[in-house]
Amino acid sequence: KAGVTQTPRYLIKTRGQQVTLSCSPISGHRSVSWYQQTPGQGLQFLFEYFSETQRNKGNFPGRFSGRQFSNSRSEMNVSTLELGDSALYLCASSFTGETQYFGPGTRLLVL
Amino acid sequence: KNEVEQSPQNLTAQEGEFITINCSYSVGISALHWLQQHPGGGIVSLFMLSSGKKKHGRLIATINIQEKHSSLHITASHPRDSAVYICAVIRGSQGNLIFGKGTKLSVKP
Repeated sequence: KAGVTQTPRYLIKTRGQQVTLSCSPISGHRSVSWYQQTPGQGLQFLFEYFSETQRNKGNFPGRFSGRQFSNSRSEMNVSTLELGDSALYLCASSFTGETQYFGPGTRLLVL
Repeated sequence: KNEVEQSPQNLTAQEGEFITINCSYSVGISALHWLQQHPGGGIVSLFMLSSGKKKHGRLIATINIQEKHSSLHITASHPRDSAVYICAVIRGSQGNLIFGKGTKLSVKP
């Protein structure tokens, strides 16, 4: 089975712009979770989607949003980018939401 | 205080040594993950456990729910074990993953 894929792998944006990141889960997995990793805060949970519905949400501002499509692919959007949004964004898929398989991540740099 | 605490933060070992990484948490959980992150960012889920002990090759993970503590052991460590090991708990009522800050392990040949 192909693993979790994320696109793009690297991205440079400027403050105030918006960005959309994509995650394709392992075939058959219906749960997709998104995480942000920064040197200062470590890994933090953003949100989880299961069968096109947001099932859980972390403590991030409303500028961070996501959605999941009927084929389980998920997108994450960040609007009005701030310098502090520079991070590695990871998605992970699972069949039921338990054991998670991580993608390689999208490294976002906000200038 | 962080809800998930790992110790040590950094660990240097000689090849062949037995290694223990500890994780303590303060919230009610439904399960706990141990993750491995190599330089470059890729994360691999090593274990998910909610009770007792699991073993996979040279890796052993234990959890004591009453004491809110888990350990990850690596037997006969090897330089390829060098990575950051992250403990993450699934908060019982909400299902969110809460992460520790990670333990950076370096195994010298």
